[in-house]
Amino acid sequence: GAVVSQHPSWVICKSGTSVKIECRSLDFQATTMFWYRQFPKQSLMLMATSNEGSKATYEQGVEKDKFLINHASLTLSTLTVTSAHPEDSSFYICSAPPVGSPYEQYFGPGTRLTVT
Amino acid sequence: TQLLEQSPQFLSIQEGENLTVYCNSSSVFSSLQWYRQEPGEGPVLLVTVVTGGEVKKLKRLTFQFGDARKDSSLHITAAQPGDTGLYLCAGSSNAGNMLTFGGGTRLMVKP
Repeated sequence: GAVVSQHPSWVICKSGTSVKIECRSLDFQATTMFWYRQFPKQSLMLMATSNEGSKATYEQGVEKDKFLINHASLTLSTLTVTSAHPEDSSFYICSAPPVGSPYEQYFGPGTRLTVT
Repeated sequence: TQLLEQSPQFLSIQEGENLTVYCNSSSVFSSLQWYRQEPGEGPVLLVTVVTGGEVKKLKRLTFQFGDARKDSSLHITAAQPGDTGLYLCAGSSNAGNMLTFGGGTRLMVKP
């Protein structure tokens, strides 16, 4: 149990285009999901908290107009990188704590974004 | 802002050796998780510790949560090449499961 999927697993796009990344909890519901960014050989950096049915909460320094987050249901959150630039190239990972689970989170397999 | 300092950042050892990874903070956490991540994949949860002084064992891995819930350690006995990976500690406060990650420890176990 407690499986989180991400789609796509990798994507290459041209500079200026937008890319949507999906995060799904497959066998549990999550009112909150988290989006992280990870650069090579570094730890995870929290970008934003996605809240089902309401606006996402962004960490300091993360542009909310560039990284659009939508949490449309209890099992799906999406991150759209708008007008992507090469510096947006990174590994994007989502996580979700099951409803009723006070501490634990389960992570998706990540999405490798390369902007050319 | 809660910070977690992980040490060492890198560790290269021979198969069969023991090692300990430390995770320290000046803040109190309600829980602390340890994850292992392989290249190109998401972190996989190894253990969650909640009670101060708690010790949990997972085969050759022993996890300890400090009495004051500000620090934790991961000890691996008789490391194997399959233990190679990035080990991450992450603390959770009462603020809705949001995790604060340590900087990670990159472990390489040579056969």
